[in-house]
Amino acid sequence: GNSVTQMEGPVTLSEEAFLTINCTYTATGYPSLFWYVQYPGEGLQLLLKATKADDKGSNKGFEATYRKETTSFHLEKGSVQVSDSAVYFCALSERGYQKVTFGTGTKLQVIP
Amino acid sequence: SQTIHQWPATLVQPVGSPLSLECTVEGTSNPNLYWYRQAAGRGLQLLFYSIGIGQISSEVPQNLSASRPQDRQFILSSKKLLLSDSGFYLCAWSGTPVNEKLFFGSGTQLSVL
Repeated sequence: GNSVTQMEGPVTLSEEAFLTINCTYTATGYPSLFWYVQYPGEGLQLLLKATKADDKGSNKGFEATYRKETTSFHLEKGSVQVSDSAVYFCALSERGYQKVTFGTGTKLQVIP
Repeated sequence: SQTIHQWPATLVQPVGSPLSLECTVEGTSNPNLYWYRQAAGRGLQLLFYSIGIGQISSEVPQNLSASRPQDRQFILSSKKLLLSDSGFYLCAWSGTPVNEKLFFGSGTQLSVL
């Protein structure tokens, strides 16, 4: 079956530091890949997505590239802010299936 | 525009009591509907999903059930809550196909004591 593996957190960074959150996946077909973000006490919201190999999703300074050869979709940001503190979820869905599979989430804390 | 409503925001229930969480979607028709649970330290677990009225798929056998009595209404229930049912419950919807985007409600924090 499909699965998503994320690096364990929490990740603590100083403001303006570089961020990488690793994500790898297992899928039988050609999935779409997503990063969702959850701010404290809220539901999840889509941060970015990529639908095919070598696509780069980007939003709010975050980027992730769909790497089929390494089955990865790592999240990066060049300079994090305190307001980026949240839980980040990597996810996938396959065409023809009505489900989205999520990773376990990585908590990011950015300190001033 | 589409909106999703989920209530209550917080719920404290004794062990053995029943549960009913409701989720409604506005501004779209025939959505796919989902119930997820987020337990402390365990990420996001899909509990149920529905592609139409009366059509429920269960992902994890457990103490909970789901129903979809109307096109845009999704209900999560239990006859007798267990301590292990505590967690943050999230309702979500998507269009078809699902590999575009999920829209989440604001969640219900359930504490079973």
